[in-house]
Amino acid sequence: TQLLEQSPQFLSIQEGENLTVYCNSSSVFSSLQWYRQEPGEGPVLLVTVVTGGEVKKLKRLTFQFGDARKDSSLHITAAQPGDTGLYLCAGARRGYSGAGSYQLTFGKGTKLSVIP
Amino acid sequence: NAGVTQTPKFRILKIGQSMTLQCTQDMNHNYMYWYRQDPGMGLKLIYYSVGAGITDKGEVPNGYNVSRSTTEDFPLRLELAAPSQTSVYFCASSYSQGQGSSPLHFGNGTRLTVT
Repeated sequence: TQLLEQSPQFLSIQEGENLTVYCNSSSVFSSLQWYRQEPGEGPVLLVTVVTGGEVKKLKRLTFQFGDARKDSSLHITAAQPGDTGLYLCAGARRGYSGAGSYQLTFGKGTKLSVIP
Repeated sequence: NAGVTQTPKFRILKIGQSMTLQCTQDMNHNYMYWYRQDPGMGLKLIYYSVGAGITDKGEVPNGYNVSRSTTEDFPLRLELAAPSQTSVYFCASSYSQGQGSSPLHFGNGTRLTVT
């Protein structure tokens, strides 16, 4: 069972369209991070959300953390070819061992292609 | 700034061979991690370290070993390579874990094929 479910798994859209990517779980997270990964590179952090109901904007990207801190969404307005990549959400929970240790659990990712 | 550096970038191993994936960071981060990424499966935590001399297992540790003798270096050892270990391996580091919100800084990965 996947702790964090991301949807859709694949998304191919035309330049200028809007899109939303979802990250859902039945578990509560202390925080949630979104990363973007390009081919041949490691993931790069886009944003961290910590408070239930929090909304953060990063230019054309809007991130929302659910009120119950179990889910999150990423909305892209007027997508550009430069937005193409793999989008990963990662939820933080208490770690496998050791007090004060937090671990990130990653979703499977959403592969976005923006066609010029 | 180099950040997190992984070597090698690519490697092909025969079944039963061993190798060490190198990872070094120059950000003076206490926390370091090894993840593997399989197609369509996201990132799975193999091992992590909260400081020099301290390591612990993650979600998928079987077949791997780590050590952390310095703050900068966190090598991952494969003793008896198996085809199931074919994957892309990412090393990452973070400054702290305050509520788990400290961002991870990733290297560019090592693509390993075991045949």
